[in-house]
Amino acid sequence: GAVVSQHPSRVICKSGTSVKIECRSLDFQATTMFWYRQFPKQSLMLMATSNEGSKATYEQGVEKDKFLINHASLTLSTLTVTSAHPEDSSFYICSAAPGGRYNEQFFGPGTRLTVL
Amino acid sequence: ELKVEQNPLFLSMQEGKNYTIYCNYSTTSDRLYWYRQDPGKSLESLFVLLSNGAVKQEGRLMASLDTKARLSTLHITAAVHDLSATYFCAVDISGSNYKLTFGKGTLLTVNP
Repeated sequence: GAVVSQHPSRVICKSGTSVKIECRSLDFQATTMFWYRQFPKQSLMLMATSNEGSKATYEQGVEKDKFLINHASLTLSTLTVTSAHPEDSSFYICSAAPGGRYNEQFFGPGTRLTVL
Repeated sequence: ELKVEQNPLFLSMQEGKNYTIYCNYSTTSDRLYWYRQDPGKSLESLFVLLSNGAVKQEGRLMASLDTKARLSTLHITAAVHDLSATYFCAVDISGSNYKLTFGKGTLLTVNP
């Protein structure tokens, strides 16, 4: 159980285009989803936290107009990187938490974004 | 602000040897997690430590938690090449919507 999927797993796009990444909890309902970014040889950095039906909470330094997050249902959250630039190239990982006492996060397989 | 420090950041060891990775954190926390990450992959959950004195073991890995010292250890026994990966500890705080703060990671290389 507790499987989280991400789509696509890898995407290459031109500078200036927008890219949408989907995160789905396959066998549980996620009250909270988290989006992380990981640059090569670095740790995971939390970008934003989203709760179903409400606006995402962004971490300091993350541009909310550039990284649009929509948590449309209890099993789906999307991250849209708008007007992507080469510096946005990174590994994006989502996680989903079912709520309850322990609310452990379950991580998706990640999406490798390359902006040319 | 919660800070999580791991050491060492790089660890090269021979097969068959033992070693310990340390994870210190700065604020009282509810839970501590250990993850493994292989190159190009996402995180694999290894251990969830929920209380002071908690000890969990899986194969050649054993994790422990001392909440009073704000310290967790990941002990590797008789390392094998397959354990080569990056290991992260992460801590969350109740009341923060269970946001995780990660350590910088320990890149473990086990040499034959």
